[in-house]
Parts: sequence; structure tokens; C-alpha cells
Amino acid sequence: AQSVSQHNHHVILSEAASLELGCNYSYGGTVNLFWYVQYPGQHLQLLLKYFSGDPLVKGIKGFEAEFIKSKFSFNLRKPSVQWSDTAEYFCAVRDFNKFYFGSGTKLNVKP
Amino acid sequence: EAGVTQFPSHSVIEKGQTVTLRCDPISGHDNLYWYRRVMGKEIKFLLHFVKESKQDESGMPNNRFLAERTGGTYSTLKVQPAELEDSGVYFCASSRGVLQETQYFGPGTRLLVL
Repeated sequence: AQSVSQHNHHVILSEAASLELGCNYSYGGTVNLFWYVQYPGQHLQLLLKYFSGDPLVKGIKGFEAEFIKSKFSFNLRKPSVQWSDTAEYFCAVRDFNKFYFGSGTKLNVKP
Repeated sequence: EAGVTQFPSHSVIEKGQTVTLRCDPISGHDNLYWYRRVMGKEIKFLLHFVKESKQDESGMPNNRFLAERTGGTYSTLKVQPAELEDSGVYFCASSRGVLQETQYFGPGTRLLVL
């Protein structure tokens, strides 16, 4: 089975600060990588995904992630966070039909 | 396009009782998945339907859990009898295909077994 590690369980930032959330996975083959976000009271939404090609992936709401194969990493970044980015963020790897998720990172942005 | 819907949003039951969760996938999505998140840990795969057939049920914890998808549309997940450790959030997701496809998630059902 695959495993996904999100090292930051809870992150607190002030508005306009830069964000980087770490994600490492164990799967060594061809990977499909995802970041999902769950805003308070809402369902999981796709932020961005990587299947192949340019390892720097841009998603919605100014988020981006970089796939570094040698490091088995897919870190999420945003140059300047807003209060509305307060949410829980999940990194996921797909192995055929299954998604393997990390344990999530709760981001709290202070206005 | 309507998203994945789940019912109920919350359920509180006593140990030993039965609970049935329902998921309606996005229209036209043949693939339906169930996941579970226990105690704020990682979201874990339970099973995968392709239309009405169980493609993969390797994540089902034990035989107290029964999933069905009669007619290949909505799915139900029954827990009978429920145990304390079954508490958590049950997510449903759907996708049109499998490879190179995004899974779209529902809002989840929060189950509490007392």
C-alpha cells in the first residue's frame, strides 16, 4: 500500500504571508498527485492535480504545487494567503482506482 | 452540473444499531467510491463500484459493512451492527472513468456511534 505524509498538521499564518505545505509519498511508479481542500462546512474540492508534463502545476485560487520526483514530494504553495484560505488541505496519490490521502493540514489564516 | 450528494449529513446511533448511508454520484459517472476518515486521521479507501459491480472492496474493514449500488446509480453503505470504532466521516466520490480522472467528493456523512 502507498503512504502519504503531510508533515504540518496545523499551520497558523497571518494574511499576506507565504504558504508552503509539505507532502511526501511512498509510491515509486508513475504517480497521479492531487491536492484537495475542505473549507469549513463544505465538501472536499480539487485544488490542483499532476498527471505528467510540467512539474510545476497551477491550480485554483492562486495555489501551485511542484512535483519533485527525486524527493517523492508534491508541496503546495501560495505566495500570499488570505483569510478565506482557512481550511483543511489534503494531499493524495492515486494508485489505479484508489486515492491514498495524507492526514491533512489545518490552515488557520488570521486577518 | 449537480455534485455528489450524501444523506444524511449527520447520524448519531447507539452501539449495536444499524445505519444506512446513501450516496448519489454525479450523473453519468459510472465509478463510485466510498472512503472513511476516522478521528481526524487520513481519509481511507473502502471500496469502488463500476456501475453496479464491486470492482474493489479491499478497504472494507469487516463484514459488518455492506455496500450496494443496485441499478448502477446511487449507492448505500450499511453498517450492522455499528461499533464505537465505526465513528467517523464517510465520504463518497465519483468519477467518469478511472485512469487520468479526478474523483469528485461529496460533503460526507458524520457518523457518531455511542
